[in-house]
Amino acid sequence: SAVISQKPSRDICQRGTSLTIQCQVDSQVTMMFWYRQQPGQSLTLIATANQGSEATYESGFVIDKFPISRPNLTFSTLTVSNMSPEDSSIYLCSVSVADTDTQYFGPGTRLTVL
Amino acid sequence: EDQVTQSPEALRLQEGESSSLNCSYTVSGLRGLFWYRQDPGKGPEFLFTLYSAGEEKEKERLKATLTKKESFLHITAPKPEDSATYLCARGTSYGKLTFGQGTILTVHP
Repeated sequence: SAVISQKPSRDICQRGTSLTIQCQVDSQVTMMFWYRQQPGQSLTLIATANQGSEATYESGFVIDKFPISRPNLTFSTLTVSNMSPEDSSIYLCSVSVADTDTQYFGPGTRLTVL
Repeated sequence: EDQVTQSPEALRLQEGESSSLNCSYTVSGLRGLFWYRQDPGKGPEFLFTLYSAGEEKEKERLKATLTKKESFLHITAPKPEDSATYLCARGTSYGKLTFGQGTILTVHP
């Protein structure tokens, strides 16, 4: 498995601002992903963070709203841009290691937009 | 389209009362069936991965099984600390996971 940390753990933001969430892993990993969990809902994949290239976004998510960086094999950021109250969610990063399909999740970032 | 359906949405058990959670999924392109546990305010905790029909895996009071179209998470003699949301997810190519809505399990002492 891998030890994953996220910063911040929670934040309260004003409408129209942006927030960058960091995900740090204690070892080099193959794949990194970003998910959203809206209140009372399950997890929805936002994008796959690709090392050294542009992220791959799922249907309904766009780069202008959720820009993602992955400068190396242990770190990624997700920015939530021009926020509205509908962006209030828990944002989670996950990683898969080596040649396994199993994903391990970080503790999440709880975002509230006023 | 990737679909994962979990039932029941919520399950209340008495301590020691065994039961099962169900997960049905679209079969096409399946690359693993995953079970996670999620406690309030935390990220999902990995429990099991199943790949083939007939496969079973166990961990303490939990046992996961897989058929061609469904997976079951059996909970034997549950304790209050087993209370959590249990999530099922199907894996597809490129390592993506599609999650079900989860089953909220409450175990009363």
